[in-house]
Amino acid sequence: AQSVTQLDSQVPVFEEAPVELRCNYSSSVSVYLFWYVQYPNQGLQLLLKYLSGSTLVKGINGFEAEFNKSQTSFHLRKPSVHISDTAEYFCAVTPLQGGKLIFGQGTELSVKP
Amino acid sequence: DGGITQSPKYLFRKEGQNVTLSCEQNLNHDAMYWYRQDPGQGLRLIYYSQIVNDFQKGDIAEGYSVSREKKESFPLTVTSAQKNPTAFYLCASSTSTAVATNEKLFFGSGTQLSVL
Repeated sequence: AQSVTQLDSQVPVFEEAPVELRCNYSSSVSVYLFWYVQYPNQGLQLLLKYLSGSTLVKGINGFEAEFNKSQTSFHLRKPSVHISDTAEYFCAVTPLQGGKLIFGQGTELSVKP
Repeated sequence: DGGITQSPKYLFRKEGQNVTLSCEQNLNHDAMYWYRQDPGQGLRLIYYSQIVNDFQKGDIAEGYSVSREKKESFPLTVTSAQKNPTAFYLCASSTSTAVATNEKLFFGSGTQLSVL
């Protein structure tokens, strides 16, 4: 079975500051990893994904994430955030051999002017 | 434009009442999913369907029912047996080839269900 832990439920930052949203996972098998963003009262949009290859993955809106197999982490980063980045962010994993997408609890990013 | 449409955006349920949430997609996707979102708990899978006329229970199927009579439609009924139905419900879909990797999951904009 897999599980995903997002270590921070809320992250307040000022505009143009860097941000890191942390995600750790647990799995007995290899997994694919994802970050989704949810704007208020909307569905989820895929930000980025790690399937294989380079462990540094670049996504939309200037976000990137690094897969660290030894630490079982997939932290999301952005060097300079905008007000429009205010949203909830979800980390998710799924086994390579197929199965359900397992979501973390979500991290609410609040960007203040 | 192709996409997933959920309706209504807001829905209220009286005690003992069944309500049905609509999910329609015109992406020609084989697989469709229903998730429930509660604050601080992320998303939990209720039901999913990989093909027409077939569906499987997810992690929290009790108190819910679904049907998949058409490829485009995957309605979710919240029955009176679901004692805590207040939540944000998200429908999603993917191509058959992406089912295993979940790499192309498309989400609707959600339905907020509240109990009167």
